[in-house]
Formats: sequence, structure tokens, C-alpha cells
Amino acid sequence: ETGVTQSPTHLIKTRGQQVTLRCSSQSGHNTVSWYQQALGQGPQFIFQYYREEENGRGNFPPRFSGLQFPNYSSELNVNALELDDSALYLCASSSRREFHNEQFFGPGTRLTVL
Amino acid sequence: AQTVTQSQPEMSVQEAETVTLSCTYDTSESDYYLFWYKQPPSRQMILVIRQEAYKQQNATENRFSVNFQKAAKSFSLKISDSQLGDAAMYFCAYKKASGSGGGADGLTFGKGTHLIIQP
Repeated sequence: ETGVTQSPTHLIKTRGQQVTLRCSSQSGHNTVSWYQQALGQGPQFIFQYYREEENGRGNFPPRFSGLQFPNYSSELNVNALELDDSALYLCASSSRREFHNEQFFGPGTRLTVL
Repeated sequence: AQTVTQSQPEMSVQEAETVTLSCTYDTSESDYYLFWYKQPPSRQMILVIRQEAYKQQNATENRFSVNFQKAAKSFSLKISDSQLGDAAMYFCAYKKASGSGGGADGLTFGKGTHLIIQP
């Protein structure tokens, strides 16, 4: 069974640029959630994708957007990067078929905005 | 909105001793799940233990157990026989049950407790 993978591991961008982060969900999982973890903080929920549609969103502006593909992998796109977007971005996959919808996390992508 | 509070930024315990990490939460929901996650320095978040709110019995997983007090909205984690490998950030998290009012199944996390194991 393959776990959740994310790419790239690290990324450096400048303010105003756009970035795309990628996530491959665990085998058998149909739901992907994205989280932002600032240094020294707990993760904050960005949004969730289920069956290729956004299924709920946290308190993040529209410049944070995403996609889910037929194979359940997902992308997180951030436009007009700001310095405060520097964080660890975590992807988690889960299955709606499981009663408690346990989320399995990937290793994260460290984004630095200069 | 749900909130999760971890009041201990850092805890230290001697190897083989027992330590308890505190967590309180606020919600108006009656059906939800609570979790403790461990994040070692390698960053990958790992589920330690899960509690369903409708269950009165406290969850246990080997050396890890919880004290779930629903009325007090408290959910503490007890680690017995602490080992060096237990050193990590520990996050308490909340998720409302699917179908209980719509919306996504996003987790709400606390700010974490840094657990240090003294050899």
C-alpha cells in the first residue's frame, strides 16, 4: 500500500509569484484535504476535495485554489504569493467509505516566499 | 466555530516515566471525533489515538491512552513508559462527524505541545 506523497519537498518563490503543489493520495482513498502549517503553529485547514469538487473550505482567500484529478491526486495552487504564505503545506487523504474518515498525512512541502 | 486549545507549549519527562498532555476544545456539535497526532522532526504527521464522542469508554493504544471528559470538553493524552522515540510535537485535533450539518471533514488543530524525553 502506497502512502501519501507530496512534491516538491522544498520550494522558494518570490512575492507575487504563483505556485503549484502536488499530492498523491493513499491507495483506495477518494478525498484529499490541504492544510497550511506556519512555523510553531498547528495546521490550518485550507480546503477539501471529494470526487473532483471542492467540498468545504477554511478561512483562506480565493487565491488559494485546488484541483482533484480522476485518480484522486490533487494540486494546491496559490496565486499572488505573500510573505505570510511561507509555511509547510500538508496534504492528507482519507476515504468516505471509512466511518471515521481518518486522514493520513503526507510529509509536506516547505514553501518559502522571499 | 470549533476551537482546540493546548495550554502546554512544552513538556519534559524522564524516560520510562508517565506524562499527560492537556487539550480542551469548544464545539456546539454533539457528534464528533477527537484525535491526537504526533509530528516528529521529520515532519510527517502520524495518528496516535482517536476517540469518538459518542463512546464513553476512553480509547487506548498500547502505551497511549486518553481521558475524555465530554461535559468538560477535555481530551488529555497519557503516555506511559515514555520512550526516546516519543519525542515530537503532539497535536490535539477535532473533526465533526460526517453528515452532522454539512461542510467538509477538515480537522481543527491546537497549537501543539513539544514533548521532550530526558534519557
